[in-house]
Amino acid sequence: GESVGLHLPTLSVQEGDNSIINCAYSNSASDYFIWYKQESGKGPQFIIDIRSNMDKRQGQRVTVLLNKTVKHLSLQIAATQPGDSAVYFCAERGITGGGNKLTFGTGTQLKVEL
Amino acid sequence: DTAVSQTPKYLVTQMGNDKSIKCEQNLGHDTMYWYKQDSKKFLKIMFSYNNKELIINETVPNRFSPKSPDKAHLNLHINSLELGDSAVYFCASSPDRAREKLFFGSGTQLSVL
Repeated sequence: GESVGLHLPTLSVQEGDNSIINCAYSNSASDYFIWYKQESGKGPQFIIDIRSNMDKRQGQRVTVLLNKTVKHLSLQIAATQPGDSAVYFCAERGITGGGNKLTFGTGTQLKVEL
Repeated sequence: DTAVSQTPKYLVTQMGNDKSIKCEQNLGHDTMYWYKQDSKKFLKIMFSYNNKELIINETVPNRFSPKSPDKAHLNLHINSLELGDSAVYFCASSPDRAREKLFFGSGTQLSVL
């Protein structure tokens, strides 16, 4: 299944299926992007990141795709498991006054159905 | 061992009160942050300190005052609490001001009645 990740929608997938979570970012000058997973009652946890000089990066069961032309980022989760149920955030980096500032999207709720 | 720890986890208080949230990281990081997450799960940066120096100060009411006694601690003091301050507040740290990967604490749920 697919979802657009700016209005906290819910993406429901069956266990074992692949998930695709989408995100549109705002700043064409952003040079770094990161995906976080937030489980209920916990803080965001790093999943995977990508720099703007790349268009794809793979981790363990996760892949991030970056399309700078349309300012679009996606997170693909292979063989989705119940433990993947969480809110997923994309974030882009902007530099401000020498500080490192991440701007987060509004998140997508992923629900894995057994 | 918790890398970034915040206390308290829950904070319920009356309007007009003053409260503090404490944060400590044992990762040896130079940079710490405070983020606010609203009821719609939107995360927004409030402050960032690098080695006890304030480097990011977003448009936050001056009722909010961060304090960093050393680079392992970043506390958040809030004066004259308002209903709209109700949110989850997250502390985070990164190795230095240029490293983007943030490590978050588990959050403090603040409820102002």
